[in-house]
Amino acid sequence: GESVGLHLPTLSVQEGDNSIINCAYSNSASDYFIWYKQESGKGPQFIIDIRSNMDKRQGQRVTVLLNKTVKHLSLQIAATQPGDSAVYFCAENTLNSGNTPLVFGKGTRLSVIA
Amino acid sequence: GAVVSQHPSRVICKSGTSVKIECRSLDFQATTMFWYRQFPKQSLMLMATSNEGSKATYEQGVEKDKFLINHASLTLSTLTVTSAHPEDSSFYICSARRLAGASTDTQYFGPGTRLTVL
Repeated sequence: GESVGLHLPTLSVQEGDNSIINCAYSNSASDYFIWYKQESGKGPQFIIDIRSNMDKRQGQRVTVLLNKTVKHLSLQIAATQPGDSAVYFCAENTLNSGNTPLVFGKGTRLSVIA
Repeated sequence: GAVVSQHPSRVICKSGTSVKIECRSLDFQATTMFWYRQFPKQSLMLMATSNEGSKATYEQGVEKDKFLINHASLTLSTLTVTSAHPEDSSFYICSARRLAGASTDTQYFGPGTRLTVL
């Protein structure tokens, strides 16, 4: 269901280190997952997605891992930079779901320490 | 990538007035648009799902007479906050989903509209 009224957990990472942001999802029928990045005062920005027939997908400096057994999703950011500071949301859906919206996780705030 | 715009980006209004927010998909057609509200340090809360040419579907607890949604074309949806009050102050974000036939159901988000009701 929707995240309601929850304060965001924060992850602080030293610049240059790798970041790992975790997300647990609840719907075992979900087969499509997306990570979004939201900077202050802006809308969510698509980062990377993964379908349930995959365990891992890599993009530029980012990797998404999917563990369907425990319904867990993670986003790994390599060589974290100050520009990576933002709130990161995972979202889940079912492909060919028609008009059903994405279901968002509660989000994690990433703070990069220079 | 797909681009979604919102207008205005910021609006300040007096209590009791109405405010209209526009959401446009600039380079693709969107059968479905979604409206979200986000309070500080919180996640996005879905308000309603808007389908072109039909009535919007509102989430539980969202007053349809207060938050009027119109999706008149495949590229434009509007949200009107009627008789706004200070508690309606929030960050309103729309998103659009491409027409069926896209390889994924990715939702693309607009930049958001900051509403402040005095």
